[in-house]
Formats: sequence, structure tokens, C-alpha cells
Amino acid sequence: GQNIDQPTEMTATEGAIVQINCTYQTSGFNGLFWYQQHAGEAPTFLSYNVLDGLEEKGRFSSFLSRSKGYSYLLLKELQMKDSASYLCAHDNYGQNFVFGPGTRLSVLP
Amino acid sequence: DAGVTQSPTHLIKTRGQQVTLRCSPKSGHDTVSWYQQALGQGPQFIFQYYEEEERQRGNFPDRFSGHQFPNYSSELNVNALLLGDSALYLCASSSTTGAAYEQYFGPGTRLTVT
Repeated sequence: GQNIDQPTEMTATEGAIVQINCTYQTSGFNGLFWYQQHAGEAPTFLSYNVLDGLEEKGRFSSFLSRSKGYSYLLLKELQMKDSASYLCAHDNYGQNFVFGPGTRLSVLP
Repeated sequence: DAGVTQSPTHLIKTRGQQVTLRCSPKSGHDTVSWYQQALGQGPQFIFQYYEEEERQRGNFPDRFSGHQFPNYSSELNVNALLLGDSALYLCASSSTTGAAYEQYFGPGTRLTVT
């Protein structure tokens, strides 16, 4: 079967670093995605990992371990505007995504 | 270049009624996927359309049906609405010739069933 798990909520302070974990189980794998979604808005693409290792893009980095079915999103130098839900998703049947429940991040001053 | 557009933005329906939601994909995209997102949850895949045919389907009942037109736009129809159908319905478009991560989401239609 297919299953994705991530923490429901996290809180961090402005300027800090936060790591959002995601674990998944799937019979097929074609990439691990992270999306950001502000309340009432559409998800927007943050990162894509298909090979093991760390992908860095500015303040955001994403890590993947396929053997462990594990990924994390690392956000550095947190800003108030980073308060949002972060969705982990995998693509195992082409361009159809299986999403996790999302992690709601609150950045406090 | 307009991105993915959806209409209407908000909709209120009564139990038992039928609803049609519409989506226009990003220019150059030929594939449309529909997702249902309940409050506080991640999006759940409903189905995907390509070349005017349903290519993949998630775990949703037959009350959920769709259509894709020759211009690649798409409709999602839900019959015999239930209270549990209240959700944000997201449309995402992509290209069969593009990278897997190039899936763009529309702003969504917020459906409330009373």
C-alpha cells in the first residue's frame, strides 16, 4: 500500500532553523516532493528529490533516503512568511501525487 | 501567461444536489488532475485526464466524474452531494513531455455542502 506520515504541527522562532520530517511507504517510487501551502491558497512547489542526498535551494533544503523511506525539509533563517502548511508527496504512478497530511508550521516572533 | 484557473471560487450546495467545477490548465499543459482537500488534511487524488480520457483514478465513488475537452480544460462533476464532500477542490495541470515536478495547482474551489 501507500502511506505518508508527517507531524501535524510544529512551532519555531523567527530566524531559527526547523526540520520537517516525512516517512513514506510505496510499492513504486518516482520522486519525493515538498509543497508549501498558505491558508486558503494553492500548494506551490518547493523541491523534488529522486536520488538520495541533500538538495539545497536558498533557505530551503530537502533530503531523501530511499532505502529508509524518509525525507526531510529544512528551513533556515525562518521568516514570519514561512508560516504555512508543508506537504510531503510522492509520485509513483506518473504525474499523480500521493500527499501526506501536511505539517502546519507556525513561526513566532 | 495565465496559470491554472478554476471556477467558481466558492460554492454552496445542499445535500443531494449536483455540482460542476471547472479548470483551465496552464498554457502548454495537456494533463489535468483533480484533488480533494478536506480542512486540515493533505490533498487526495480523485482522477487524472489526458487526451479527453480518464487515465488514472483514486479511491473515490462513481458519484465523482469528470470530463476533458479538446482544449484541455476539464470539469469535475459530483452527484448526490453529501456533507462530507465539503472541501477545497484543487486542479493541477502538467505536461506529458515535461518533468514530473512540473505540476501546477490552481487556486481551488471551496465547496460547502449544507
